[in-house]
Amino acid sequence: DIQLTQSPSFLSASVGDRITITCRASQGIFTYLAWYQQKPGKAPNLLIYSASTLQSGVPSRFSGSGSGTEFTLTISSLQPEDFATYYCQQLNNYPFGGGTKVEIK
Amino acid sequence: QVQLQESGPGLVKPSETLSLTCTVSGGSISTYYWSWIRQPAGKGLEWIGHVYTSVYTSYNPSLKSRVTMSVDTSKNQFSLKLTSVTAADTAVYYCARAVAGTDRALDIWGQGTMVTVSS
Repeated sequence: DIQLTQSPSFLSASVGDRITITCRASQGIFTYLAWYQQKPGKAPNLLIYSASTLQSGVPSRFSGSGSGTEFTLTISSLQPEDFATYYCQQLNNYPFGGGTKVEIK
Repeated sequence: QVQLQESGPGLVKPSETLSLTCTVSGGSISTYYWSWIRQPAGKGLEWIGHVYTSVYTSYNPSLKSRVTMSVDTSKNQFSLKLTSVTAADTAVYYCARAVAGTDRALDIWGQGTMVTVSS
């Protein structure tokens, strides 16, 4: 089975910071990867699919890149509403990564 | 716009079957993949599986022996059955839509329903 490993698990940052979250797959998955944002008590929200395609309605400060085994989610300028937990998901066998919690420094 | 709503018992006894339904409103249930995902309190997301028109299903290998999913197009609903539950199955259960055009990413989610396994 393919495993997804996210790093870091926890990230402390300030409003306006540029942050990057990494998702590594145990085997190559081409660009079959999505990123979600989840806030406490809420369902996840799709941000990025096919590794780099921005979902409709998602702000352009979010971007995704990568292929094969290494992927990144970047937020170019962190906003107060971006403090949340982020998950990657492989879109073939569908496992999720362990999550990255982004908190205010 | 399309909305999803989970329903079912919030409490299930150990060894019994967990049954949940997701009602799709604002759109057709045809031509999409319909998924179930769960999340234990304070933990990450676990994909349970998806169903496509009740003809095609795909399940998480770790749960496959206990899971059945189906679609009722007449009611615009899809369902999840998980047999022989234990405390480890206690979680918030989400239903979600996966679209072929997004490589089956989960673009619409229900609000989630808490299921506790306890006697």
